[in-house]
Amino acid sequence: GESVGLHLPTLSVQEGDNSIINCAYSNSASDYFIWYKQESGKGPQFIIDIRSNMDKRQGQRVTVLLNKTVKHLSLQIAATQPGDSAVYFCAELTSGTYKYIFGTGTRLKVLA
Amino acid sequence: DAGVTQSPTHLIKTRGQQVTLRCSPKSGHDTVSWYQQALGQGPQFIFQYYEEEERQRGNFPDRFSGHQFPNYSSELNVNALLLGDSALYLCASSLRWDQPQHFGDGTRLSIL
Repeated sequence: GESVGLHLPTLSVQEGDNSIINCAYSNSASDYFIWYKQESGKGPQFIIDIRSNMDKRQGQRVTVLLNKTVKHLSLQIAATQPGDSAVYFCAELTSGTYKYIFGTGTRLKVLA
Repeated sequence: DAGVTQSPTHLIKTRGQQVTLRCSPKSGHDTVSWYQQALGQGPQFIFQYYEEEERQRGNFPDRFSGHQFPNYSSELNVNALLLGDSALYLCASSLRWDQPQHFGDGTRLSIL
């Protein structure tokens, strides 16, 4: 649904470990999904996208998984680095609309 | 190749005033969307412009209005400012509505 909540969930991982960030989306008619990374004081930065006709897509060090049955999206980051520390948002686009709906966001903290 | 640029970066206004925020899209992009991001939350869709017309609007009052120019740049206008309008205003551009949106770093608007 619409992004709500004042307190971001936080995921803390050791440098070099893999990170998994999860997102539950709201609309079964959503057919396009994007993961964004937002660093402090900056706008969201595109990481990777996936369409509903796929269930997995890989980029450089990142993988997005889509489970349409349970309306769940995940972002996997391999070999997490300090520069990965940021807030991560998923965004969904429902077929027939132009309105992206963003999730609540997850703060990723990478521990040295 | 310049990305999305927004101006000004920061702005302080008082209640009841009016404000205009500006956005230049990434080169080649013809679709511009505006978002409001409150502290600790995900971006909320305000509206999207394409071919100089508002194509879709989110749940925002008509105090929020916009414009797109022939060169695809865009303005967001907010009238009768309220304290609750304090937020980061983000502009995003894309080649099509269902292609990845690229964001600017936003305008931080503070209402006193």
